[in-house]
Amino acid sequence: DTAVSQTPKYLVTQMGNDKSIKCEQNLGHDTMYWYKQDSKKFLKIMFSYNNKELIINETVPNRFSPKSPDKAHLNLHINSLELGDSAVYFCASSLYTGKRTDTQYFGPGTRLTVL
Amino acid sequence: RKEVEQDPGPFNVPEGATVAFNCTYSNSASQSFFWYRQDCRKEPKLLMSVYSSGNEDGRFTAQLNRASQYISLLIRDSKLSDSATYLCVLYNAGNMLTFGGGTRLMVKP
Repeated sequence: DTAVSQTPKYLVTQMGNDKSIKCEQNLGHDTMYWYKQDSKKFLKIMFSYNNKELIINETVPNRFSPKSPDKAHLNLHINSLELGDSAVYFCASSLYTGKRTDTQYFGPGTRLTVL
Repeated sequence: RKEVEQDPGPFNVPEGATVAFNCTYSNSASQSFFWYRQDCRKEPKLLMSVYSSGNEDGRFTAQLNRASQYISLLIRDSKLSDSATYLCVLYNAGNMLTFGGGTRLMVKP
């Protein structure tokens, strides 16, 4: 069974559309994250939720809205898609015991292409 | 200056070679350090943590130098399957990971 799963794996859409990416983890972790990996391969944190509460919100346009219905799910909704949103989006989760050595487990990624 | 800097490579090495990567970081308050591995079109996966005393896991050795603010990864006896991008990662407060841009390694037969 996949520990952290994301859907869809590929998403091709037109500028201006609204789209959602879903993420689920079955590891029993308390904390989930969204990362963006751009064409230059830099992975940057976007959001982090702990037990359905937002704990990290980096400088991300407010067109991006995460939603956590329960601690096993963290979905990402993007409004009015722009060309610069094209990237690979990774979901991740960790136990978040407060220990700095918590390992983050990543989902397989969603490759978003905005035309 | 980027918070985490890595030579993007690629490092092209023959099988059996020893190869080393360095990574420098700017935030002296960084608490923990890791190497992640990312295969092409796949997700990053934790390779190993990095401790000041140095740590070894099979053919892989990681080292941290806090005074000079760099970490290193040494791979001995390279295998074809070691071909990947190696990401230098820092942990800061709030369980937040900061990733370097990665160093690409290609091991040739």
